[in-house]
Amino acid sequence: AQSVTQLGSHVSVSEGALVLLRCNYSSSVPPYLFWYVQYPNQGLQLLLKYTSAATLVKGINGFEAEFKKSETSFHLTKPSAHMSDAAEYFCAVRVSNFGNEKLTFGTGTRLTIIP
Amino acid sequence: GAGVSQSPSNKVTEKGKDVELRCDPISGHTALYWYRQSLGQGLEFLIYFQGNSAPDKSGLPSDRFSAERTGGSVSTLTIQRTQQEDSAVYLCASSPRRLAGTEAFFGQGTRLTVV
Repeated sequence: AQSVTQLGSHVSVSEGALVLLRCNYSSSVPPYLFWYVQYPNQGLQLLLKYTSAATLVKGINGFEAEFKKSETSFHLTKPSAHMSDAAEYFCAVRVSNFGNEKLTFGTGTRLTIIP
Repeated sequence: GAGVSQSPSNKVTEKGKDVELRCDPISGHTALYWYRQSLGQGLEFLIYFQGNSAPDKSGLPSDRFSAERTGGSVSTLTIQRTQQEDSAVYLCASSPRRLAGTEAFFGQGTRLTVV
């Protein structure tokens, strides 16, 4: 069974500083990995996804993530934080396993931006 | 419609009553997921449909919870004899047929409050 671990339920960074949100996965078969963002009182929207085409994935709003198989990681980064980045971020893994394509989420990381 | 539609958007019910939550996925999407998001918590997987069948029901918390999907489209999540701990936002998502590398698209959720 696949699983996702997000280290740090709360992360605070100063405006203009590097954003690093950590995600580690566990899967017995090649995974597909996703980062979603949830702004206050809104639904979830996709930031970016890894589908094996390239290990460095660029997403919306200047975010990117790098798939590292040896570390089983898919950390999310952004070089310079903006106030508008304050939100909850979820990492998710999905595998195709005998017709079961369950999508499993981590517990989320709430990002706060300090002015 | 253009996106995943959930109804009602808000539901207040008395403890012990039954409730039905509805999800209309994006047209043509055969995979459908239900999740529960409690206050300050991550996304708890409930059930996954592929067409009308449910390959994975492992997340349903108790036998008070059930879900069905008819015609490969609309899905209904039913909670019988609601309890206060059932209060949460129930999210539905859909994605295209058997394409594990494609993202799931989320509805805005149904906020259930049990009083």
